[in-house]
Amino acid sequence: EVQLEQTGAEVKEPGATVKISCRFSGSTFIDYYIHWVQQAPGKGLEWLGLVDPEHGEAVYAERFQGRVTMTADTSGDTAYMELRSLTSEDTAVYFCAAELITETTGWLDPWGQGALVIVSS
Amino acid sequence: EIVLTQSPDFQSVTPKEKVTITCRASQSIGSSLHWYQQKPDQSPKLLIKFASQSFSGVPSRFSGSRSGTDFTLTINGLEAEDAATYYCLQSISLPRTFGQGTKLEIK
Repeated sequence: EVQLEQTGAEVKEPGATVKISCRFSGSTFIDYYIHWVQQAPGKGLEWLGLVDPEHGEAVYAERFQGRVTMTADTSGDTAYMELRSLTSEDTAVYFCAAELITETTGWLDPWGQGALVIVSS
Repeated sequence: EIVLTQSPDFQSVTPKEKVTITCRASQSIGSSLHWYQQKPDQSPKLLIKFASQSFSGVPSRFSGSRSGTDFTLTINGLEAEDAATYYCLQSISLPRTFGQGTKLEIK
């Protein structure tokens, strides 16, 4: 059974950078994409992007392009999401989620428990 | 970018009722539409994949269907534990997009 374990809550000042980790277990890491999803307080789900751990390639949502970097460490089966130049609007829970890479998949499952990032001075 | 529009945004329902939530795609996405349930302070849980395929372990009262670019999540015989927000997600293209969510309140 695939499981994703995320780092705990972080408090950052405006302008800072946050890096969240997502540890993968239960299957072969490189057989999955790892997606990142943002959920601001009381709001819906917004897709930030994905990383392909096998090839080290990432695709980002246009809104976050230039401010986000997604990477994966295949030696530790861990994905990372770094978000720079934080503002109060980045206060949110950030989820990682796995997608099995085949021609007949596409859904995201499972999800990590979420990592709360609070941006405040 | 494919826009997914859910309706309604909010619904207050009584137990044992039949509930339908709709997700309309802005362009053709085939059946590449998945449904999630999210309860407060929890991560989303997959209910239905590819429009109508039930995911493992999901109660049989949850079902999905498709008509063109309109997708429907149906809950037959609502239970109190179904109070949650429901989201649709498309996987036909990048960027992936979610519907805005439908919050179900149990009376």
